Amino acid sequence: NAGVTQTPKFQVLKTGQSMTLQCAQDMNHNSMYWYRQDPGMGLRLIYYSASEGTTDKGEVPNGYNVSRLNKREFSLRLESAAPSQTSVYFCASSEVLGVWGLTEAFFGQGTRLTVV
Amino acid sequence: AQSVTQPDIHITVSEGASLELRCNYSYGATPYLFWYVQSPGQGLQLLLKYFSGDTLVQGIKGFEAEFKRSQSSFNLRKPSVHWSDAAEYFCAVGLIQGAQKLVFGQGTRLTINP
Repeated sequence: NAGVTQTPKFQVLKTGQSMTLQCAQDMNHNSMYWYRQDPGMGLRLIYYSASEGTTDKGEVPNGYNVSRLNKREFSLRLESAAPSQTSVYFCASSEVLGVWGLTEAFFGQGTRLTVV
Repeated sequence: AQSVTQPDIHITVSEGASLELRCNYSYGATPYLFWYVQSPGQGLQLLLKYFSGDTLVQGIKGFEAEFKRSQSSFNLRKPSVHWSDAAEYFCAVGLIQGAQKLVFGQGTRLTINP
């Protein structure tokens, strides 16, 4: 089972360059997420998509845009990369089961991005 | 605002010793609580979760956690650690706001001495 697949795994950008991080899940989940992980700060939510066709800002959305291309795919775009965006980025997916609660969130392997 | 605090940034224990990782949360309603583990260079794997019911929950790899509402805590325990348990551990609160938004603690890095 592939689960959540992210590409690329590593990337080095120069300040001001743009790039798109790709994410796909094969679990038929409605909800998808992008988090960033920085030392000593845990994971912080950048953007999320509750269902196909919707996206919303999370805790740290500045400098990012997202696209929910279809139910499987959720991409994160950096329009003009800055050194402060050096981080490890994780995509995740999950399902809300209404009054029955939540499924666990499944995470990709991460993308390590360095902006110089 | 909702928050999760893991007071211990780094813990070292000897192999075979018992382990307790602390987690405190701030959330107005009954929380959905999770513990995730991250091995070096890997994504996050769910260890266990609490939604409702029995406050002592069992997880994978011999881990358990106890939800204490009066203390706003959800501490992770293991009776005897193995060298393979060395990793970073994250406590998280799950908020249902259309989707399941996770608020993570800062993480606790666990080192195992042989």
